[in-house]
Amino acid sequence: EAGVVQSPRYKIIEKKQPVAFWCNPISGHNTLYWYLQNLGQGPELLIRYENEEAVDDSQLPKDRFSAERLKGVDSTLKIQPAELGDSAVYLCASSLGYLAGDNEQFFGPGTRLTVL
Amino acid sequence: AQSVAQPEDQVNVAEGNPLTVKCTYSVSGNPYLFWYVQYPNRGLQFLLKYITGDNLVKGSYGFEAEFNKSQTSFHLKKPSALVSDSALYFCAVRSYGNNRLAFGKGNQVVVIP
Repeated sequence: EAGVVQSPRYKIIEKKQPVAFWCNPISGHNTLYWYLQNLGQGPELLIRYENEEAVDDSQLPKDRFSAERLKGVDSTLKIQPAELGDSAVYLCASSLGYLAGDNEQFFGPGTRLTVL
Repeated sequence: AQSVAQPEDQVNVAEGNPLTVKCTYSVSGNPYLFWYVQYPNRGLQFLLKYITGDNLVKGSYGFEAEFNKSQTSFHLKKPSALVSDSALYFCAVRSYGNNRLAFGKGNQVVVIP
């Protein structure tokens, strides 16, 4: 079974440029998460989707970050414009959701963003 | 609010010796506890979880963890460490009905040959 797929794996951009990350979750997983992981820290949730609905986006900086999951499967996270402080690893995860009784999240390899 | 503390930045252990990675948590209500491992340039991999039932939970790669409600701890253990266990380990917690996981800052484990 394929795991969570993310692309690109690495991205280097100059500040004020836009950038987008793509995630394809495990088949059948209706819950999708985007996390931010700074160096030496644990992941921090940016947004959670249940199917195509964003049910927890309170920690997403909405002035520059946006996300979508139009058909309830794959998702895109966008930053526009990027700032130096956005340099981090962006992780995507998926799960069946707690209502399914199976609680662990499965993570993709992440996208390492460097903003110059 | 829910939170996790992983008090040690790095754990060094000789190959073949027991490995312990400490985790304490704070949560309202019953906790759901998780351990994940992260290898360089890889995503987090699920090791084990405690939801309910037996306080001793067995997981992947010979790891186990013990839930201690009175001490609010969920320490990760392995009886005999391997060099390949060298990685970053994260403890995470959430409460029933809350799908948001709170992660600790992680512990770097170094197994010395």
